[in-house]
Amino acid sequence: QVQLVESGGGVVQPGGSLRLSCAASRFTFSTYGIHWVRQAPGKGLEWVAVLSYDGNYPHYADSVKGRFTISRDTSQTTLYLQMNSLRAEDTAVYYCATDQGRYFLSGDMDVWGQGTTVTVSS
Amino acid sequence: EIVLTQSPATLSLSPGERATLSCRASQSVSSYLAWYQQKPGQAPRLLIYDTSNRATGIPARFSGSGSGTDFTLTISSLEPEDFAVYYCQQRSSWPPITFGQGTRLEMK
Repeated sequence: QVQLVESGGGVVQPGGSLRLSCAASRFTFSTYGIHWVRQAPGKGLEWVAVLSYDGNYPHYADSVKGRFTISRDTSQTTLYLQMNSLRAEDTAVYYCATDQGRYFLSGDMDVWGQGTTVTVSS
Repeated sequence: EIVLTQSPATLSLSPGERATLSCRASQSVSSYLAWYQQKPGQAPRLLIYDTSNRATGIPARFSGSGSGTDFTLTISSLEPEDFAVYYCQQRSSWPPITFGQGTRLEMK
């Protein structure tokens, strides 16, 4: 069964940087896009970014555009989210999730990881 | 950006009852509407995609309907494990993908 495991969360000061990882197993990672979705404490879900299966087509929410970068490694089993210029409002649990489409981006999120917590605070 | 508005914010029902959750879009999303379930401390789980298609492993008591701007998630007979927060999500016009604010289904 497909498994996604996020890591890299922690406490960082405003203006700082973090890199989140999403490791996939039992999954043909190279044929599916992967999303990042976040959830601020006590709040709802907010879509953050997605990267296509081939790594060529990233898309971002306006709230993170220019500050966050989504990428995947050459072996294509780990997805990353590089987060720069972090703000208090970026504090959230960050989930990675597989796109439901194979070889295309459908926009629906099928399998989710357990999440990693990012806290931006001085 | 398409805004999704869910109602009610909280729904209090008993096991065995029927639950009806609503999601309204600020503009037509055609049939590109999904529903997710989230339990405390857990990641969301895809229940329904493209308005009415159940995701893998989702029980038949969950069903979705609607089109355009008005959608409904129905749980025909509530089981104890169904009490959770439910989110709708659109993929008609993205980016950005957008979610509703959620409906909390609580046990009466």
